[in-house]
Amino acid sequence: DVKVTQSSRYLVKRTGEKVFLECVQDMDHENMFWYRQDPGLGLRLIYFSYDVKMKEKGDIPEGYSVSREKKERFSLILESASTNQTSMYLCASTYLTGGGEKLFFGSGTQLSVL
Amino acid sequence: AQTVTQSQPEMSVQEAETVTLSCTYDTSESDYYLFWYKQPPSRQMILVIRQEAYKQQNATENRFSVNFQKAAKSFSLKISDSQLGDAAMYFCACRDSNYQLIWGAGTKLIIKP
Repeated sequence: DVKVTQSSRYLVKRTGEKVFLECVQDMDHENMFWYRQDPGLGLRLIYFSYDVKMKEKGDIPEGYSVSREKKERFSLILESASTNQTSMYLCASTYLTGGGEKLFFGSGTQLSVL
Repeated sequence: AQTVTQSQPEMSVQEAETVTLSCTYDTSESDYYLFWYKQPPSRQMILVIRQEAYKQQNATENRFSVNFQKAAKSFSLKISDSQLGDAAMYFCACRDSNYQLIWGAGTKLIIKP
């Protein structure tokens, strides 16, 4: 079975802390994504990566950065966590072909910033 | 900009009955893809069904089917013979010209035993 693994299911951090969310996929996918999921807003794209060391901003990159040093791993970094970053974070990966390919998701990290 | 609208925050259906979840979208693209994803309580999003816009035939996957109305920009999901395991959040999404998915707000589906 294909797998996307997010390092933490629940995380509680304090305002101002630097937070690392890790995501690993075992499918040799080129493309990886970080989404934020909030009730009533659906999923919003934070950052994505088409290849190692490459990154592109999504719709809401402010306050976040990413790192992709290896193909299988894509990290989301909150440089200085704030309460408005309390949310569910979803990692996903896929091959990129003609547009109809499906995303494979991790089980999400519920982050609370106090 | 592309938008995807799910007007039903919550739907409920009796077990074994049929339910339809609504989705409308707005795009200026002539060719695009539409998706329905399911997020059960385990939180892991999984693909339910997808539709290529240039294909007129509605996609089906076992008990799941879509009613794709391209002119009306409507993409509803029909679940037949609802089962308890169908209880989840359902998200409609559209892939734009940059190959990024635009998501609806989601519909929570409740199955009554």
